[in-house]
Amino acid sequence: AQKVTQAQTEISVVEKEDVTLDCVYETRDTTYYLFWYKQPPSGELVFLIRRNSFDEQNEISGRYSWNFQKSTSSFNFTITASQVVDSAVYFCALSEKGAGSYQLTFGKGTKLSVIP
Amino acid sequence: DTAVSQTPKYLVTQMGNDKSIKCEQNLGHDTMYWYKQDSKKFLKIMFSYNNKELIINETVPNRFSPKSPDKAHLNLHINSLELGDSAVYFCASSQRRSTGELFFGEGSRLTVL
Repeated sequence: AQKVTQAQTEISVVEKEDVTLDCVYETRDTTYYLFWYKQPPSGELVFLIRRNSFDEQNEISGRYSWNFQKSTSSFNFTITASQVVDSAVYFCALSEKGAGSYQLTFGKGTKLSVIP
Repeated sequence: DTAVSQTPKYLVTQMGNDKSIKCEQNLGHDTMYWYKQDSKKFLKIMFSYNNKELIINETVPNRFSPKSPDKAHLNLHINSLELGDSAVYFCASSQRRSTGELFFGEGSRLTVL
């Protein structure tokens, strides 16, 4: 079973539309961390957010917002008023403690295309 | 200043050759990683080193050998390259006591012909 599931492989939206990227995770740990990374067409991996398992407060950063719900093991990412520059592959990741240190496991990514 | 730097950025080589990818970080982190991203964009951890000591070694062919001369460097050597080794290899670093936030290099695209 996958530890991090991003069910949406590809999404296309028209510029200015809102879009939500889904992420469902699986862990037995009580302490864990969740992340979103962005990989634009240029290829680098850009850190967007980290959330710990004890903090279920939603977070907003500009046009980006994240909804963390432990009850459904989900950590969804919403982009409001999408722009062409948001076109990228977005990865959700789970960090659990193993071998004495935290290990990051990535979902398979969601490719977002924002059409002008 | 680049925090995590990898060289080369692009590498094209023939099957059967041996090649190395170098990685250096100037963040003062004590843990470094190699991840492989395949053609479907799936990112999978290969190795992790903490203070020059191997702590994670996922199921990777033994043709892949990481080497960490010091905690700021983690090189990846690949012997007898195969077509399936074509991928983007990402180096990353973190503090061991951190919660998993990784700082990634720009990636090294390896193409095996």
